[in-house]
Amino acid sequence: AQKVTQAQTEISVVEKEDVTLDCVYETRDTTYYLFWYKQPPSGELVFLIRRNSFDEQNEISGRYSWNFQKSTSSFNFTITASQVVDSAVYFCALSGSPGGTSYGKLTFGQGTILTVHP
Amino acid sequence: ETGVTQTPRHLVMGMTNKKSLKCEQHLGHNAMYWYKQSAKKPLELMFVYNFKEQTENNSVPSRFSPECPNSSHLFLHLHTLQPEDSALYLCASSNRASSYEQYFGPGTRLTVT
Repeated sequence: AQKVTQAQTEISVVEKEDVTLDCVYETRDTTYYLFWYKQPPSGELVFLIRRNSFDEQNEISGRYSWNFQKSTSSFNFTITASQVVDSAVYFCALSGSPGGTSYGKLTFGQGTILTVHP
Repeated sequence: ETGVTQTPRHLVMGMTNKKSLKCEQHLGHNAMYWYKQSAKKPLELMFVYNFKEQTENNSVPSRFSPECPNSSHLFLHLHTLQPEDSALYLCASSNRASSYEQYFGPGTRLTVT
């Protein structure tokens, strides 16, 4: 069975601070896919990134960066110089490899509520 | 319209009512999904449709009945619901029921009284 744990239930920061959202996962698949989604107050989940397990390069997109460490089964998300508009619930998710029972089915973590104060 | 749309955005229904949720995707995808998001619980996958065929039913009670007439439309028919079914119901689509990223609609906030 797959599992995603986001230990941080809520994080509160002041604008311009950097913030890291933690994600730890469990899977028996040798290849898998990891995702981050953002859910603003409007309710719609917004896709942010997909990472394949065989690609351990870290990625940066503007103020967002992701640190994938297979050795520790972690896929952490950092927002640099946070802004009020970053306030949302952030979900980490996992999907299994082709041929596996979890292929194509996202397993979500509980989510981290991020509040950025002006 | 673009993306994934859902109607209605809010729905209040009694336990004896019958209602339907509608989802439409304008992304050319061929897989569609229903998720349930309850307070204090992770998002739960309910159903998966791949090329209009149901490929996953995640032990969902029969009072929830999905329908996928084509790759662009997905319905969730509701009848004799319970108060614990109150939740945000999210629709998503992707390019095949694979590990391609899923794109979500804004959800329907359902309250069962």
